[in-house]
Amino acid sequence: GAVVSQHPSRVICKSGTSVKIECRSLDFQATTMFWYRQFPKQSLMLMATSNEGSKATYEQGVEKDKFLINHASLTLSTLTVTSAHPEDSSFYICSASDGSLHGELFFGEGSRLTVL
Amino acid sequence: SQELEQSPQSLIVQEGKNLTINCTSSKTLYGLYWYKQKYGEGLIFLMMLQKGGEEKSHEKITAKLDEKKQQSSLHITASQPSHAGIYLCGADGGGSEKLVFGKGTKLTVNP
Repeated sequence: GAVVSQHPSRVICKSGTSVKIECRSLDFQATTMFWYRQFPKQSLMLMATSNEGSKATYEQGVEKDKFLINHASLTLSTLTVTSAHPEDSSFYICSASDGSLHGELFFGEGSRLTVL
Repeated sequence: SQELEQSPQSLIVQEGKNLTINCTSSKTLYGLYWYKQKYGEGLIFLMMLQKGGEEKSHEKITAKLDEKKQQSSLHITASQPSHAGIYLCGADGGGSEKLVFGKGTKLTVNP
C-alpha cells in the first residue's frame, strides 16, 4: 500500500533556530499534502494544505511566516518552523493524497519537535 | 504495535437511513478520535473519546467508546448527502507519541 515517510521522527532544537521536517510519498505522486499539529491529548489541527507547485493554503490562525511550507515536487513537501520557540514544541504530522486513490489519505508517522 | 481496524471499508446508503461505522483496536485506547475527510480536503475533527463507556454527540453524529476501551462506533442518524466522505478513526496508544489511524470508511449517501 501507499507509504508516506516523515523525517525526522524526533528533533530537539534551541530556541531561535529553524527546523525543517520532510514529508515524502514513497510510492505514489501526492498532488496534495496536509500538515497537522497535535497538542498532547488533543486532536489533530490542520495547519495548511500544500499543493505541488503552488503556495500552501494556511488555516486561520496559522502564521505562514512562522511555518513555511514548500511542496517542490510530487513526492516531497517540507515544513520549516522558523525561529522556533518552546511553544512550538508539538507533534507534527503530514498526510498525502492522490486523486487516483479516491481521496484516501495516507499519514506519515509524525515528527516530535522539542524546542528548548 | 497498535492497530486500528475500521469496518466497513465502504458504505452506500440512501438518504435518511441510519448507519454505523466501527473502529476496533488491538490494544487499549487512551484517546480515540473520529475525523471526516471530504475528497481533496484535510481532516475535520469530529469527536474525541477517552473514558470507557463515553458517548458524545454532535448534530446527527454519535460516537461511543466501549467499556473496555478497545472499540468505538460512529453512528449517523437520518443520513444526508452532506455526510458523505471518508471517516477515519485515530488513536493515541498512551505513552506512544505515534498516532495510529484506521484505513477509513468511505461513505456515500444517495439522494
